[in-house]
Amino acid sequence: GAVVSQHPSWVICKSGTSVKIECRSLDFQATTMFWYRQFPKQSLMLMATSNEGSKATYEQGVEKDKFLINHASLTLSTLTVTSAHPEDSSFYICSAAGLAGISYEQYFGPGTRLTVT
Amino acid sequence: DQQVKQNSPSLSVQEGRISILNCDYTNSMFDYFLWYKKYPAEGPTFLISISSIKDKNEDGRFTVFLNKSAKHLSLHIVPSQPGDSAVYFCAARESGTASKLTFGTGTRLQVTL
Repeated sequence: GAVVSQHPSWVICKSGTSVKIECRSLDFQATTMFWYRQFPKQSLMLMATSNEGSKATYEQGVEKDKFLINHASLTLSTLTVTSAHPEDSSFYICSAAGLAGISYEQYFGPGTRLTVT
Repeated sequence: DQQVKQNSPSLSVQEGRISILNCDYTNSMFDYFLWYKKYPAEGPTFLISISSIKDKNEDGRFTVFLNKSAKHLSLHIVPSQPGDSAVYFCAARESGTASKLTFGTGTRLQVTL
């Protein structure tokens, strides 16, 4: 099946610093990538949708200046949490949509645990 | 506004029995539904999906049923195994192959020995 990786798998940072999370589709080209956030015992909430080479589309209530998304190639998207605060601590998951074999689906990465102290 | 709901936050089933996880939706534009399994601190793993033109899809121990008129779908796992213990999310998608997924709130399944 299609493989999506995320790096880092976990990160601890100090309040006020910025953190970059990478999402890569390893064996297929992802025309669209999605970024989700999951708080403990809650559902996955879509933050934004990014298409390669264009600006990301953010969901209502998600600050685009705080969560910077770049989708520079068909295999890489990055999410940068700028000026992180403790309330940004969460589990961030990306998914990549593309044609992998004969199936066109979304494939999820393993997630990144962000803890802001 | 929660467009996809899983009203049972948890479910406990004995090994070998059938697990039935339910999901309801409100958006009539959804035409494709998926079930994902998720372990803590991991990304969701795709299990099975169903298009709105069908009412049943089966893959091994997993069967998904769709009742469009009731806007309800269910996932049946039979026989349940201890390794099935995880959180299960249903998700729905509007037409368009790369459309965003709307996830339900999840049901934690515990399969006991």
